[in-house]
Amino acid sequence: ETGVTQTPRHLVMGMTNKKSLKCEQHLGHNAMYWYKQSAKKPLELMFVYSLEERVENNSVPSRFSPECPNSSHLFLHLHTLQPEDSALYLCASSQDRQGDEKLFFGSGTQLSVL
Amino acid sequence: GQNIDQPTEMTATEGAIVQINCTYQTSGFNGLFWYQQHAGEAPTFLSYNVLDGLEEKGRFSSFLSRSKGYSYLLLKELQMKDSASYLCAVDAGNNRKLIWGLGTSLAVNP
Repeated sequence: ETGVTQTPRHLVMGMTNKKSLKCEQHLGHNAMYWYKQSAKKPLELMFVYSLEERVENNSVPSRFSPECPNSSHLFLHLHTLQPEDSALYLCASSQDRQGDEKLFFGSGTQLSVL
Repeated sequence: GQNIDQPTEMTATEGAIVQINCTYQTSGFNGLFWYQQHAGEAPTFLSYNVLDGLEEKGRFSSFLSRSKGYSYLLLKELQMKDSASYLCAVDAGNNRKLIWGLGTSLAVNP
């Protein structure tokens, strides 16, 4: 089983829909992340959870709502999105230990907002 | 401000050696990462440098000079499967928020 699994791989939604992205990590890591990847832009950190507690929220619009029920699962709830939110959404996990912060990424959800 | 620069695109020939440069200007420095990302796939970790010098890992090596704010990724004996985007990222000590470059798209030609 792969280390970090994301579903769905592709998602098309209208601006009035509500959908959720799911991420699961099988690596025993303590921290989980949501990143946004858009063309011609660097990776943008959206949210970080460490031991299920949110430790970072980079001024993300409230139409994105994260949920971390345990250290292995992470969700991103989406509602009333805008076309500019179309992007690749990547989940990642890490040991969250000094000197060992390398990230393990899932394959991402390619989101299109119509 | 915080900034990372790397070339947008590079091309190289199968079997050759290529060097991908990354320069950074950040308020702090705890280490520098290189990731590889194939089209439509997850970024995967390649290397992590925290001290000056060269770290070798098989066909891939990564170099760091903290005084110059400079790193490079060296790929030897290029293979077609090395065609990918290579992302440079710096841990500037900002609470798990890495500073990312835009990535260098490498095309390996036969």
